[in-house]
Amino acid sequence: DIVLTQSPALAVSLGQRATISCRASESVRSSIHWYQQKSGQQPKLLIYGAYNLASGVPARFSGSGSGTEFTFTIDPVEADDIATYYCQQSRNEFTFGSGTKLEIK
Amino acid sequence: QVQLKESGPGLVQPSQTLSLTCTVSGLSLTSNSVSWIRQPPGKGLEWMGVIWSNGGTDYNSAIKSRLSISRDTSKSHVFLKMNSLQTEDTAMYFCARLHNNYGYHFDYWGQGVMVTVSS
Repeated sequence: DIVLTQSPALAVSLGQRATISCRASESVRSSIHWYQQKSGQQPKLLIYGAYNLASGVPARFSGSGSGTEFTFTIDPVEADDIATYYCQQSRNEFTFGSGTKLEIK
Repeated sequence: QVQLKESGPGLVQPSQTLSLTCTVSGLSLTSNSVSWIRQPPGKGLEWMGVIWSNGGTDYNSAIKSRLSISRDTSKSHVFLKMNSLQTEDTAMYFCARLHNNYGYHFDYWGQGVMVTVSS
């Protein structure tokens, strides 16, 4: 199985940039997708194919990377962005990272 | 618009079988694939399996022996059945459309149904 590793939490000030990393245990090419999950809600797709913005998602959100190293960025961070962010790979079956909880300083 | 909605019993006894239904509207199951994904309380997301648009299925190898996914295209229903439930199967269960564009991802999700395994 391909394992995706994310840092558990990140604290950022409002208006600043938040950068979340996702490391794959083997190359997934560009088959990485990012989701936002707010407390008590279902996940929401934000980025697909490493860098493509999903429909209706603000341009404050972006993604980059390929192979085994991926980055998800929110710039600038707003109060409504408080959530847990998950990466997901589709290179070999489907697995999710353990999630990064975004907190506001 | 596209909607998915999960339904099923909130409480299941240990060793029993879980049966869930995902009702899909706004898209056809004969041209779209649907997955089940679960999330234990306070934990991360686990992909369970998929029923492809052609009716074929694939399952997470960790639970493959206990899981079955099927569908009724005429009613736009996707079903999950998982047997031999244990307390660690307590989770929120989501269904989601699996879409292939720059790689397979889940672009529409249901709100989820909470299942507790307890006697």
